[in-house]
Amino acid sequence: SQQGEEDPQALSIQEGENATMNCSYKTSINNLQWYRQNSGRGLVHLILIRSNEREKHSGRLRVTLDTSKKSSSLLITASRAADTASYFCATDDGGYQKVTFGTGTKLQVIP
Amino acid sequence: EAQVTQNPRYLITVTGKKLTVTCSQNMNHEYMSWYRQDPGLGLRQIYYSMNVEVTDKGDVPEGYKVSRKEKRNFPLILESPSPNQTSLYFCASTWTGGETQYFGPGTRLLVL
Repeated sequence: SQQGEEDPQALSIQEGENATMNCSYKTSINNLQWYRQNSGRGLVHLILIRSNEREKHSGRLRVTLDTSKKSSSLLITASRAADTASYFCATDDGGYQKVTFGTGTKLQVIP
Repeated sequence: EAQVTQNPRYLITVTGKKLTVTCSQNMNHEYMSWYRQDPGLGLRQIYYSMNVEVTDKGDVPEGYKVSRKEKRNFPLILESPSPNQTSLYFCASTWTGGETQYFGPGTRLLVL
């Protein structure tokens, strides 16, 4: 069964705006990760946040994690056309071999 | 260059004709995994392998087989493909205890 569900399913913004996407999950986790996928290609890891962390930054990316609400958000600031892609959250419960991916948010950044 | 490769990248076949999708990584990773991606369903894990000769089922293993005879290779076998196995398939790998998976470019399969 799917662990993570992203919201919204699709998002369209203008270049320079911020993009926020959310991920909700059902069971306890050890780590939550965000991956990016350009159309039909392999996924690329963006950032990992551990269950004992609340916020993490990497360049223009900011991830938050609320374990009480079983949710995470990914913020991309000052978006660029090159950020156009699908974004997936992925969770594991400590067993790194069983990673569960969400359904993804499709982001379109309009130049 | 560190990478995960998959072959073929595109495949059209007919129901019942056995096929193999190969996956190879050059990073000496112990862990390898296969996923399928379908619209609206995200990625679902088919099988994974913790090391040579060690494999286990993921969430959707029915209709698939795998083998891990060498560390670098993890082929996905469809003994009798059916149209519901039409999908985009990804192989991924990481080291033992690794938290970040490295993905191949994907294999798009169409079963008629």
